[in-house]
Amino acid sequence: DQQVKQNSPSLSVQEGRISILNCDYTNSMFDYFLWYKKYPAEGPTFLISISSIKDKNEDGRFTVFLNKSAKHLSLHIVPSQPGDSAVYFCAARYAGNNRKLIWGLGTSLAVNP
Amino acid sequence: NAGVTQTPKFQVLKTGQSMTLQCAQDMNHNSMYWYRQDPGMGLRLIYYSASEGTTDKGEVPNGYNVSRLNKREFSLRLESAAPSQTSVYFCASSLTGRETQYFGPGTRLLVL
Repeated sequence: DQQVKQNSPSLSVQEGRISILNCDYTNSMFDYFLWYKKYPAEGPTFLISISSIKDKNEDGRFTVFLNKSAKHLSLHIVPSQPGDSAVYFCAARYAGNNRKLIWGLGTSLAVNP
Repeated sequence: NAGVTQTPKFQVLKTGQSMTLQCAQDMNHNSMYWYRQDPGMGLRLIYYSASEGTTDKGEVPNGYNVSRLNKREFSLRLESAAPSQTSVYFCASSLTGRETQYFGPGTRLLVL
């Protein structure tokens, strides 16, 4: 059973507009969340993260929002650029000493010029 | 810094053959990980090593063995490859106490 769910396999957005990628989780023991970006034939690269004690974290064009009561997080990319076209993975970490991450299945974002 | 490097980039095996996937990192990270990525399955943890000399099973360890040779290197061995092990394998590393994992470019493995 998927504990981290990315319900949209794909998303298409016009260049310059906002991209919103969503992630839902089921385990209230997760205390840290990360977003990774992956281009074809490359490994995932870290994008942005958020601790469960915060509700927002911003880094340039990327903002992650966390709604703990809804067990939902979202990644906003503003403005979207063609180079943002990639697969985006959401990952979550259990609280405590276990450093293992639980991964979503990914959302493929296409930013059209 | 090369970051995380993996060899080979691509490999074709016949069922029953063995091979070792190599991974090395030059970031002085304590923790290292092996994942596999399959279509529709996301990233699944095979094994991880919290520090030199220790290894632990992840979600899908069956059919694999690992060796944490030293702080830099973490290898993944398939003793008798099966078609179900056709996948893309990623190695990653992280600092102890930090959640961010840094990934290598991956090894594409095809088992016929």
